[in-house]
Amino acid sequence: AQKVTQAQTEISVVEKEDVTLDCVYETRDTTYYLFWYKQPPSGELVFLIRRNSFDEQNEISGRYSWNFQKSTSSFNFTITASQVVDSAVYFCALSPLNNAGNMLTFGGGTRLMVKP
Amino acid sequence: NAGVMQNPRHLVRRRGQEARLRCSPMKGHSHVYWYRQLPEEGLKFMVYLQKENIIDESGMPKERFSAEFPKEGPSILRIQQVVRGDSAAYFCASSLAGTGAYEQYFGPGTRLTVT
Repeated sequence: AQKVTQAQTEISVVEKEDVTLDCVYETRDTTYYLFWYKQPPSGELVFLIRRNSFDEQNEISGRYSWNFQKSTSSFNFTITASQVVDSAVYFCALSPLNNAGNMLTFGGGTRLMVKP
Repeated sequence: NAGVMQNPRHLVRRRGQEARLRCSPMKGHSHVYWYRQLPEEGLKFMVYLQKENIIDESGMPKERFSAEFPKEGPSILRIQQVVRGDSAAYFCASSLAGTGAYEQYFGPGTRLTVT
């Protein structure tokens, strides 16, 4: 069975602060993918990143960065110099890397509020 | 290059009615996934379909819910005799193939309200 835990249900920061969203996962699969999605108030799901379990290199994309630590089963997401437009619910997700379908297991989400 | 389309975007049904949610995958995609997001919760997998086949319905409630993906036309998620607890956002995603190497693309969702 797979499980994704986002312990922070809600985070509030002031604009320009850095913020890290935690994600811890459990899986028996040796190979898998990890994802982050953003759900703004409008409700759609915006894909942010996909990382496979073979690649533990950290990734940076503009103000976003991701830290994958296989040893602690964590895939944390940091927003540097947060902006009001970053306010959204962020979901971490996991899928197996096999031929039986890549259905996603989502965490409960972290609601980020960035205040001006 | 149209993305995943879902309609209607909002659907209101009275208790006991039927709800039909449609999902048109991205062009060329033959794999469809349905997820449900209850209020203030994360998304939960419901069912995975390929054209004309249900591959995995382990997340689907045993009663009142059914899904299909015919050879022609959109995938349909059908909820019979809706109850208030069915009120949720239903998301559809499509992918080119069923292995983890292929990304899922999500539609905008259908928000079902049962009154």
